[in-house]
Amino acid sequence: AQTVTQSQPEMSVQEAETVTLSCTYDTSENNYYLFWYKQPPSRQMILVIRQEAYKQQNATENRFSVNFQKAAKSFSLKISDSQLGDTAMYFCAREGSNYKLTFGKGTLLTVNP
Amino acid sequence: KAGVTQTPRYLIKTRGQQVTLSCSPISGHRSVSWYQQTPGQGLQFLFEYFSETQRNKGNFPGRFSGRQFSNSRSEMNVSTLELGDSALYLCASSLGAGTGVRGYTFGSGTRLTVV
Repeated sequence: AQTVTQSQPEMSVQEAETVTLSCTYDTSENNYYLFWYKQPPSRQMILVIRQEAYKQQNATENRFSVNFQKAAKSFSLKISDSQLGDTAMYFCAREGSNYKLTFGKGTLLTVNP
Repeated sequence: KAGVTQTPRYLIKTRGQQVTLSCSPISGHRSVSWYQQTPGQGLQFLFEYFSETQRNKGNFPGRFSGRQFSNSRSEMNVSTLELGDSALYLCASSLGAGTGVRGYTFGSGTRLTVV
């Protein structure tokens, strides 16, 4: 089975600080896509950032950036200048050639004031 | 533009009944996927439709079925409900095949409780 692993069930960070969420995945494909989704208590899954596996450059979206290590099959999310609104469950996901998302179990991030 | 709309938001059903959930994708999106989210199993893929054809199916029993209409709206049906079917059901839409654009937009989900 091609899996996605998030080894940190819960994390906390102080407002304005930086936090990194870890994700590793398994795949036999060379072309695939990786995503970080955020699910706040409102339960809607919101796309945070996406990375194409064929691109070596790490994706960035404002305060969010990734460290993509293709050989190590690692895809971590860095949140800079954490804000209270960043409190949510974060899911790492991989999409291969079959248009199916495989999710990790999630990391519950709490931003403390 | 309008997002992905799922109806109803909440549903309570009795064991043995059947239920139909609806999903309207973003205008222009031709791919619709369904996921089941539970505390124990996390997010699991149910099926994906593109232009009214099911292209992929997850590892769920035949009680779970779906379809997509010509306007890309999708429904999923669960027959003979079991207590274990209680979950948040999420629908996601995307542009789909051949566009080179990946990434899915999710709806707010339908919370199904089976009693």
